[in-house]
Amino acid sequence: DTVMTQTPLSLSVTPGQPASISCKSSQSLLHSDGKTYLYWYLQKAGQSPQLLIYEVSSRFSGVPDRFSGSGSGTDFTLQISRVEAEDVGVYYCMQGKHLPGAFGQGTKVEIK
Amino acid sequence: QLQLQESGPGLVKPSETLSLTCTVSGGSISSNSYYWGWIRQPPGKGLEWIGGIFSSGTTYYNPSLKSRVTMSVDTSKNQFSLKLSSVTAADTALFYCAGIGYYDSSGYYRPIDYWGQGTLVTVSS
Repeated sequence: DTVMTQTPLSLSVTPGQPASISCKSSQSLLHSDGKTYLYWYLQKAGQSPQLLIYEVSSRFSGVPDRFSGSGSGTDFTLQISRVEAEDVGVYYCMQGKHLPGAFGQGTKVEIK
Repeated sequence: QLQLQESGPGLVKPSETLSLTCTVSGGSISSNSYYWGWIRQPPGKGLEWIGGIFSSGTTYYNPSLKSRVTMSVDTSKNQFSLKLSSVTAADTALFYCAGIGYYDSSGYYRPIDYWGQGTLVTVSS
């Protein structure tokens, strides 16, 4: 099994300030096709998850550029350059290399 | 633009089999080599993969649930399904079906992001 570990589990951020979430995988997510299958999702209250970042650092359609992803192999980071009120929710990293896939525990982001 | 809708009983008795269906509209479930998934979320907790299935019917199950899970695709109905056997109260959760990605004609895997609104299944006698 591939275990995904996120830190921190909760984060309180002042609007306009940056935020960062770490995600570590128990196995490398680098595929033989050269891609690294690490995704970031945001689940807002009462909603289905929505994809923010795919393949470590590519923003999905419509995602604001204040969201960015980085990392390689087993260590990854999601950064929000300037947190806005609409960014509150639970952020999940997900690996898609070892199917079916696996999520991290989630990081709850709230506004101070 | 695909739309996904889960359907099935909202209440299942312990030891019985939970059966859910995801109906895909707005496109053909097999027009590409799509990867479809079932994900669940116990009340107040995080997301857990149950399993995934390609449009071809190839399945991948969460090892912790593998002995109890069966997934299938019905291309004639544009649906994919989940069966989870021998359920207990610990299986009570909001169940989502989702479209995660697809292989294009060049063999490249592309992400998609289509989710149902989720269906709450409670296991109780």
